[in-house]
This record gives sequence, C-alpha cells and structure tokens, in this order.
Amino acid sequence: GENVEQHPSTLSVQEGDSAVIKCTYSDSASNYFPWYKQELGKRPQLIIDIRSNVGEKKDQRIAVTLNKTAKHFSLHITETQPEDSAVYFCAAVFSGGYNKLIFGAGTRLAVHP
Amino acid sequence: GAGVSQSPSNKVTEKGKDVELRCDPISGHTALYWYRQSLGQGLEFLIYFQGNSAPDKSGLPSDRFSAERTGGSVSTLTIQRTQQEDSAVYLCASSLGHTDTQYFGPGTRLTVL
Repeated sequence: GENVEQHPSTLSVQEGDSAVIKCTYSDSASNYFPWYKQELGKRPQLIIDIRSNVGEKKDQRIAVTLNKTAKHFSLHITETQPEDSAVYFCAAVFSGGYNKLIFGAGTRLAVHP
Repeated sequence: GAGVSQSPSNKVTEKGKDVELRCDPISGHTALYWYRQSLGQGLEFLIYFQGNSAPDKSGLPSDRFSAERTGGSVSTLTIQRTQQEDSAVYLCASSLGHTDTQYFGPGTRLTVL
C-alpha cells in the first residue's frame, strides 16, 4: 500500500556537524520527492525536492539524493546551524488512482550550539 | 501573490458541537489536501481533492468528518459532534498539480472542551 517510512524520528547534532535523514517508499512508480521543514508553531514549507530523472540535487547546505532501485531518498544538511532545528518531513507521490502526496512521520532535528 | 489562507485561526468549541473550517487555496491550484496535526505529531492525511475528480476520502477518521470543495476552489472541512480527541491543528495545502509544490495554509487550531 501507500507508505513512506522516515528515519530517524529524532536527531541531535552539534553545530557544524552534518545531519542525514532517510526515507523509503513503497511505490516504484513514484516520481516526485519533496522535503518540508516545519519550525515550531509554523506551517510546513518546502526546502528542496527531487524528481525521478535525477539522482542528486543541491541547494547551498542542503542536498537530496535519490536511489530509485532501492526506493529510498535522503536529505543531507551540512554545516548545521541552530536555525536548522525543526521537524523535517519527506514525501512521495503515489501513482495510484489519486496520485496523491504521502508524507513520512517526520524527523525532529535539534542542532546544539 | 496571496498564499493559502484558512479560517478561523483558532476555534474553541464544546464537545458535541459541529464545526466548519475553511480553506482558500492559491488561485488556479487544482489539488487541495486537508491534514490533521496533533501536538508534536506528523501530518495525518484526511482528504484530497484533485480537479473535478471524486475526492480521496480514505484518510477521514470517522463519518463525523466530511469535506467539500465548491467550484474547484474554496474547501470546507466539517466535523460533526466534536470529541475531545478531535483537538488538533487542521492544515490545508494546495498545489498546481499532484507533482508540484504543496503550499500550506497557517492552519486552524481546534480545541474541543
């Protein structure tokens, strides 16, 4: 069925370290994988996305990698800063009857100064 | 341009009352989603509208929940006979198509006493 698994559920790093969040999905036909960041008390906002015709995409300190064979994708944040502290959600579009976006359960990232 | 808007921003109601939550998506967006987010939790999918197709109601937790989208634009989520466990933030999101960026509204915080 439609499923996106996300790990870890919580992640604590020191400022300047890297953080990696991983997601797996069940629908081999999925072709769009966005990542959202939700700061405390605010709405989720898109930070980066990747489509199935590329394997990696970078935007400054943020990168996303996609392995379609293994059906997993990852978010990499380098040189973490305290303002990176938030909950991060991965998502994948499922190509079933409704073609809807399914979210992972979220990762709470804490960056300690 | 204007983003997704939701009203009211906060709603306090008594157990057993009905409530209506409103979502105004970005103009021209064909896809509209409702999610529920309990404190510190992930995004629980409720219902999805795509264009003129029949909505995907598979996430509605009970028959007390219903939603409609009039004229392919504004959507209303109705919760009948509210229960305390319905207390949460209800988020609406819209996107141009199902593989496009979802833009979230600010949410409605529902408290059932």
